[in-house]
Amino acid sequence: DAGVIQSPRHEVTEMGQEVTLRCKPISGHNSLFWYRQTMMRGLELLIYFNNNVPIDDSGMPEDRFSAKMPNASFSTLKIQPSEPRDSAVYFCASSPLNEQFFGPGTRLTVL
Amino acid sequence: AQSVTQLDSQVPVFEEAPVELRCNYSSSVSVYLFWYVQYPNQGLQLLLKYLSGSTLVKGINGFEAEFNKSQTSFHLRKPSVHISDTAEYFCAVAYSGAGSYQLTFGKGTKLSVIP
Repeated sequence: DAGVIQSPRHEVTEMGQEVTLRCKPISGHNSLFWYRQTMMRGLELLIYFNNNVPIDDSGMPEDRFSAKMPNASFSTLKIQPSEPRDSAVYFCASSPLNEQFFGPGTRLTVL
Repeated sequence: AQSVTQLDSQVPVFEEAPVELRCNYSSSVSVYLFWYVQYPNQGLQLLLKYLSGSTLVKGINGFEAEFNKSQTSFHLRKPSVHISDTAEYFCAVAYSGAGSYQLTFGKGTKLSVIP
């Protein structure tokens, strides 16, 4: 298995632009998590899905952030419009039950 | 509510010396505990986990951790570190959500191994 796949690995954009981050979980895992990692705040859970259904989005910073999971093999995290304070590494993780497997992350820089 | 405290943000240690990274947690229910390692510019990789059974848990790369319920601790140890162990280490506690388990992470401890 290739593990959790995230794309792009790096994204540089300008303030106000729309950004879409993508994640392909490990096949057979029924839960998917989106995290954000910054120096100031550490690792924060943004949202998680179980069987493609969003369960808890209380970590999503504001309405500019949205996440979807249209099927068991794909999820997106969208930021519209992006702001410089959104600059961070965004991780996707999938889980079969209690252990989470992390992707390599997307490093987002908003200028 | 669950929380995780990693008391040391940075730990420098000489190569081949022993190391202990400390982790304390608070939880009102039974817990599952994890240690993850993050190498530079990479995602988090599971080192070891405690779900039940023996309180001494062995993981990859020669690491081990001991679950101490009375002290609510889950400290990570290695008897002899290598340069390649330089990384950031995260302790996490899992709690049951709707159909899955969520993880609460500590702030991380940066381990620097000095040649």
